[in-house]
Amino acid sequence: DTEVTQTPKHLVMGMTNKKSLKCEQHMGHRAMYWYKQKAKKPPELMFVYSYEKLSINESVPSRFSPECPNSSLLNLHLHALQPEDSALYLCASSQGTGGRVDTQYFGPGTRLTVL
Amino acid sequence: AQSVTQLGSHVSVSEGALVLLRCNYSSSVPPYLFWYVQYPNQGLQLLLKYTSAATLVKGINGFEAEFKKSETSFHLTKPSAHMSDAAEYFCAVSPEGYSSASKIIFGSGTRLSIRP
Repeated sequence: DTEVTQTPKHLVMGMTNKKSLKCEQHMGHRAMYWYKQKAKKPPELMFVYSYEKLSINESVPSRFSPECPNSSLLNLHLHALQPEDSALYLCASSQGTGGRVDTQYFGPGTRLTVL
Repeated sequence: AQSVTQLGSHVSVSEGALVLLRCNYSSSVPPYLFWYVQYPNQGLQLLLKYTSAATLVKGINGFEAEFKKSETSFHLTKPSAHMSDAAEYFCAVSPEGYSSASKIIFGSGTRLSIRP
C-alpha cells in the first residue's frame, strides 16, 4: 500500500480563522513533507520531518505551523492566513533512510481558499 | 547547484502519436533524476527515476526516459499517446549533499494534451 491520505479535500477559511490540515501514511515511512502548489506551478517545499523531528523549514511564514505527533501523522496548523496563501497543499512521505534516491509518495492534496 | 529545465510549457499530440517531453539538467555531480505526473486535481505520482544504474529507465504506463550525459538531458517518451496521458508532467532532480531526508527540486512542468 503506497497511499498517503489528506483531509480535508477542500477548505475555505477566513483570514482570522484557525484550521488544520492532516496527513497520514501507514507505509512505515520516517520522512514526511509539506508542499505548497500554486496553479500552473511546480510544488514548493515548505517543511520536512525526519523521524518526527523538523529537519527543514524553507523560510515559511510563522502563520504556518507544522506538527508531527507520531511517525504516521503530519499536521499543518493554519492561523491568520492571507488570500495569497490560497493553493493546493500536498503532503508526501518517503522511507527516510537518507540519500538522494528516496522516493516520495504524494497525497491528493488539500485545496485551500483564503477569503 | 542542481536544477532542471523543462522545454515547452505545453505539448499537444494526437492520440497514438509519439510523446516527447524534454528535460535538461544542470549538475556538477552525477544527478539523480525523476519524472512525476500530476493528473487534474490530484497529487503527484512517480513515473520513473534515474539513479545511475542504467541509462534507459522504464516507468509506469508505458513511459521511459533516457539519461544522456553528453546532452545533459533526461527526456520522457512514450511510443503511443493515450487520452488518459493528458496531465502535467514534472522533471525533478535530487540535490547533492542531502542526507537526513530526500529533497527534490522540480522543473516548471509541461502540460500534455492529447488530441482525439
